[in-house]
Amino acid sequence: NAGVTQTPKFRVLKTGQSMTLLCAQDMNHEYMYWYRQDPGMGLRLIHYSVGEGTTAKGEVPDGYNVSRLKKQNFLLGLESAAPSQTSVYFCASKRASPQEQFFGPGTRLTVL
Amino acid sequence: GIQVEQSPPDLILQEGANSTLRCNFSDSVNNLQWFHQNPWGQLINLFYIPSGTKQNGRLSATTVATERYSLLYISSSQTTDSGVYFCAVEMLQGAQKLVFGQGTRLTINP
Repeated sequence: NAGVTQTPKFRVLKTGQSMTLLCAQDMNHEYMYWYRQDPGMGLRLIHYSVGEGTTAKGEVPDGYNVSRLKKQNFLLGLESAAPSQTSVYFCASKRASPQEQFFGPGTRLTVL
Repeated sequence: GIQVEQSPPDLILQEGANSTLRCNFSDSVNNLQWFHQNPWGQLINLFYIPSGTKQNGRLSATTVATERYSLLYISSSQTTDSGVYFCAVEMLQGAQKLVFGQGTRLTINP
């Protein structure tokens, strides 16, 4: 049982490049979330999904897109990376009932 | 939206000391979680505590939902307790999203 895993762990992009971050969970959780964490701050919600095939915007969605084609995977895409998207990205998942969220190890992204 | 405030922002202690971290929130919540972010950046679940008191070894937490605050107690601190402690609340409405506080940075010196 690996829990929540994220791929890749580190990435450096140039401005304007695109990339996709992959989140996978093996706990059969319904809900999945993408957060970003900037230096000295708490996490902020980018997008989330309440089930396979569904997505919704969070607090800071601009510049990102997401997809949840399979229940266990949640993809975060950057179509045209900007330096303001330099951050650490965390994925999380939970059951639909009121229970705790579990977080992945994070992806450190630098946009030059 | 809901506001989550943590205090103090920074705390420096000697090994063996006890500490209390506070989390205030501005509206009724469905759930509250405490996390420890270690120096390597990993977020570790400490407590899921929408109300009441829980204990896990040297750590314990109390949430008083009616008064909109939670406390995290760390006793007999060790250097491995260093890192940032986050409180996050789940709002009553919506898809059980978490709103995080700014964190308390704890440094335990040997």
